[in-house]
Amino acid sequence: NAGVMQNPRHLVRRRGQEARLRCSPMKGHSHVYWYRQLPEEGLKFMVYLQKENIIDESGMPKERFSAEFPKEGPSILRIQQVVRGDSAAYFCASSPRRGREETQYFGPGTRLLVL
Amino acid sequence: LAKTTQPISMDSYEGQEVNITCSHNNIATNDYITWYQQFPSQGPRFIIQGYKTKVTNEVASLFIPADRKSSTLSLPRVSLSDTAVYYCLVVDGNTGKLIFGQGTTLQVKP
Repeated sequence: NAGVMQNPRHLVRRRGQEARLRCSPMKGHSHVYWYRQLPEEGLKFMVYLQKENIIDESGMPKERFSAEFPKEGPSILRIQQVVRGDSAAYFCASSPRRGREETQYFGPGTRLLVL
Repeated sequence: LAKTTQPISMDSYEGQEVNITCSHNNIATNDYITWYQQFPSQGPRFIIQGYKTKVTNEVASLFIPADRKSSTLSLPRVSLSDTAVYYCLVVDGNTGKLIFGQGTTLQVKP
C-alpha cells in the first residue's frame, strides 16, 4: 500500500504565477488535510477535505488559495498570483476516518519557492 | 482555541531516556493526543497516540495524566538517528480544530 504521494516535490514560481500542488492520499483514505510549514516553524493547518467537500478551510488565506478533492483524482491545493511569502513546504496528510482515534499519514511535502 | 506549549529544543546523549512534554489546555474531551516525528525535508511521521494514562509501543511511551492538560513523550535509550523535531497534535475542545504544537527539536549527541 503506497503512502501519501505529493507532487511535485519542488516547485519554483515567479511572483504572480500560479502554483498547483497535488496530493494522492493512501488507498482507502477519504479524508485529506493540507498544512503549511514556513522555514524554521511548525505546521499550520490550512484545510480539511473529504471527497468532493471542503469541511474546514479556516486555516486557509481568504484570497488566492483554494483546495479541492474531486471524486476522481488527487487533491489539489492551488495558489494564484504567488508572492514571496508563499514560499514554504506544503504537506498533505490523509486518514481513513475522522474521529477520536484518527491517525494522519503525511506525504513528503512540496517545497514551493517563489522568486 | 487550545494552546499548546512545548520546549523549543532539548539536548541528549546516546543511550539516555528523553522525555518531551506538551502542555495543552482546553482540548477535546473525547479525542486522542498524537505525537509525530519530523526529519529535515520530510513529512511528519506518526509515533504514538493515546487518550489517558500510559501507552507504549515499540518506539516510545506516552504518559497522559488524568486531567489531560499535558502529555509526555518518552523515548528510551535514544540514538543519533532520533535527532528530529517532535510535535504533539491535539483537538481543540471548543472548535474541534486540529492544533499542532510548535515542535521540540531534539539533538542527540554521541
